[in-house]
Amino acid sequence: AQKVTQAQTEISVVEKEDVTLDCVYETRDTTYYLFWYKQPPSGELVFLIRRNSFDEQNEISGRYSWNFQKSTSSFNFTITASQVVDSAVYFCALSEAGASGGYNKLIFGAGTRLAVHP
Amino acid sequence: DTGVSQDPRHKITKRGQNVTFRCDPISEHNRLYWYRQTLGQGPEFLTYFQNEAQLEKSRLLSDRFSAERPKGSFSTLEIQRTEQGDSAMYLCASSLGDTGGAGHEQYFGPGTRLTVT
Repeated sequence: AQKVTQAQTEISVVEKEDVTLDCVYETRDTTYYLFWYKQPPSGELVFLIRRNSFDEQNEISGRYSWNFQKSTSSFNFTITASQVVDSAVYFCALSEAGASGGYNKLIFGAGTRLAVHP
Repeated sequence: DTGVSQDPRHKITKRGQNVTFRCDPISEHNRLYWYRQTLGQGPEFLTYFQNEAQLEKSRLLSDRFSAERPKGSFSTLEIQRTEQGDSAMYLCASSLGDTGGAGHEQYFGPGTRLTVT
């Protein structure tokens, strides 16, 4: 069965600190997709990144970086030099490939609430 | 901006009443998803459509829940005989879905917050 675990319920940091959000997943499929979404206080989920199971290259986008390791079934997210605007709940999600090569439902973790203080 | 829109944004209803929510996806997206999110939890999948076909339904979707997407564009989610346990945020998302290749990200609407009193 698919499962996503975000063990960190809440993280509190001071602005400019680096912070890593952990995500561990379980799936029996060889083809799957991993995602991170941000949910700011306004409530709308914002897509951050998608990674497929065949691409283990790490990715950097500005202050954001992602580390995908199949050997440990982890897809961790690091924010460098955090800012107050990064305060939000962050969700990791998993999906298996659908028949059309796309994918179907997202299985979300419980989320990690990040509070960045000035 | 032509993102996913949902209506209403908030709904308060008394137990036993029926409610209906609407979702308008991004226009070129052929897949549409419904999720439910309760406080402190991640969204849980309810159902999804490819065009007008409902391809998957979660066990969470009891007989009191029904979803439609009659013309492959907007979708409605109806809850009959609401219960207090139905109180949650109902999220709609859309994506491309049948062009092959890598999976496509889902874009979410602002949600409809349902409170059953």
